[in-house]
Amino acid sequence: EPEVTQTPSHQVTQMGQEVILRCVPISNHLYFYWYRQILGQKVEFLVSFYNNEISEKSEIFDDQFSVERPDGSNFTLKIRSTKLEDSAMYFCASTSGGAVNEQFFGPGTRLTVL
Amino acid sequence: AQTVTQSQPEMSVQEAETVTLSCTYDTSESDYYLFWYKQPPSRQMILVIRQEAYKQQNATENRFSVNFQKAAKSFSLKISDSQLGDAAMYFCAPASNFGNEKLTFGTGTRLTIIP
Repeated sequence: EPEVTQTPSHQVTQMGQEVILRCVPISNHLYFYWYRQILGQKVEFLVSFYNNEISEKSEIFDDQFSVERPDGSNFTLKIRSTKLEDSAMYFCASTSGGAVNEQFFGPGTRLTVL
Repeated sequence: AQTVTQSQPEMSVQEAETVTLSCTYDTSESDYYLFWYKQPPSRQMILVIRQEAYKQQNATENRFSVNFQKAAKSFSLKISDSQLGDAAMYFCAPASNFGNEKLTFGTGTRLTIIP
């Protein structure tokens, strides 16, 4: 069964460093999303991406964040200068764009900023 | 825009018993979907069940069923014959059917299964 994959599973970084979180969505999917979940809190939307551009972004997704689909398979989230409060679980999701809008989630990347 | 309220931060149920998790939401959309996601300790988000808002019939998926009350904007999840593997955080999420928009999650209900 096709699945969304994410690498790395756990990333530890120093405050101020740049990190890139990688996702490989399901191959025939067209819509891509990043969500984050601070420990013990709810899952929050960051950004959606379609046709090689951002469809929607939340207030959390400020100038420190960027997304890219550099080739036909990867979907990346970059945080330019990490802050302590960026420590969270980051989930990638994708959907085919059909009638149902069922989003399939990856296993997540746990980001720890020290 | 959607808002979601899950008023039960924690619930527990005896193994093999039935439990109902509540969710209310608000949306200005006329056509939308509702989802329940499960997040076990591994923190993977797993779709449990979905409901199309235009359908009057409540969705059922094996031991999982919903009670969808559109006028009341209520979308509860019933788990029958609870199993130890059902222990997880459960999140309710509505989503517009237009443009494949984002999911808006509630704060979640932590379900504990008592052996």
